[in-house]
Formats: sequence, C-alpha cells, structure tokens
Amino acid sequence: AQKITQTQPGMFVQEKEAVTLDCTYDTSDQSYGLFWYKQPSSGEMIFLIYQGSYDEQNATEGRYSLNFQKARKSANLVISASQLGDSAMYFCAMREGQGTNAGKSTFGDGTTLTVKP
Amino acid sequence: DAGVIQSPRHEVTEMGQEVTLRCKPISGHNSLFWYRQTMMRGLELLIYFNNNVPIDDSGMPEDRFSAKMPNASFSTLKIQPSEPRDSAVYFCASGGATQSGNTIYFGEGSWLTVV
Repeated sequence: AQKITQTQPGMFVQEKEAVTLDCTYDTSDQSYGLFWYKQPSSGEMIFLIYQGSYDEQNATEGRYSLNFQKARKSANLVISASQLGDSAMYFCAMREGQGTNAGKSTFGDGTTLTVKP
Repeated sequence: DAGVIQSPRHEVTEMGQEVTLRCKPISGHNSLFWYRQTMMRGLELLIYFNNNVPIDDSGMPEDRFSAKMPNASFSTLKIQPSEPRDSAVYFCASGGATQSGNTIYFGEGSWLTVV
C-alpha cells in the first residue's frame, strides 16, 4: 500500500528566505508520480509541482522546486524567496502509475507553513 | 480552460435529508476522484473512477454514501440519509492520463453542514 509521510505539522519561515517542506513516501510501484498542493485559508487545493518517478531532473516551477531523492524515497518541496502569500497548508501526494496507467492517489497529512514578515 | 466545477459550493441541510453533490471534470480527463476533508481526518479519498468506471470505493464510509459517473463529463456523490458527522468539505478532482504527466486538479469544494 502507498503511504505519504509529512513529519512537520507546522513550519515558520522569515519572509524572503527559503524553506524546505519534507515528504517521504512508501510504494512498491516502480512507476508513480509525486505532487505538491497548496491549500490557503480560503480552502481551494492548488496544484504546485509534479515529479515523475522516471524523471532524472528535479522539477521546478517558478519559486517551487522538488528535491527528488528516489533511493531515499523523499520528495521535499523547496520554496525560495518566501512571500507572505505562501502561508498555507501544503500537501504532498503520490499517484500510482503514470500516463494512461495512472491510478489511485494518496495524500499526506499536510504541513502548515507560516511566513513571518 | 474551465477547471473542475463543483456544485453546490455551500449546503446546509437537516439530519436525515438527502444530499447530492455534483461535479463536472476537466474535459479530456479520464480519472475522477471524490475526497472528503475534515479537521479530524484530514483529506480522505472516498472513491475514484477511471473512464467512468468505479475502480476503488474502499474509502466510502458506509452505505449511506453512493457515487455515480454516468458519463465522462458528470459525476454525483449522494448521501442518504445525511448525519451531522458528514459535515465536511467534499472535493471533486480530475486527472489526465497523458505520457507527460498525470496531475490531479481539484474543484473548489462543496462545503456541507448537516445540522
């Protein structure tokens, strides 16, 4: 069975600094996708970044990058130059399979990030 | 492009009433997911469909919950009869199935309160 672990219930970061949110996963699948989502206080779930298990390079999207270490089964999210608007809950997720074989998804419990001015 | 569309956005109902939540996935997506989010349990996957077929409904809490996907552009989640413990945010999400990725995109959620 798939499992996502986010060990940091809450994190604080000073505005303009970088922050790393931890995520480890457990799966016996060779093919899978890893995702990060942001949930602000308004409640919507916003997709941030995706990494496929066969991707050799770490994914980047603007100020977001995913530090993918396959052997350690970790997929940490790095946010550079934090902004006040980054304060939110962040979820790490995994989806088994890729492409046309993509299937079930599993989410972690989330990390609440607070950016201090 | 339109995202995942859910209705109603907010619903307040009395215990025992039937509740129907609706979802229109992103056009072209072949997977559809229903999630429930509460403070106590976090984000739970209730059921997911591939190509309109229910694949895994092991997360559906009990027989009071049912979900259907009659076609590729519409799904419903029904609770009958509703109970106060069903109060939660219900998210519908859809996912593509392309070789370039399989990202899941969420609707804005349906905020259900059962009194």
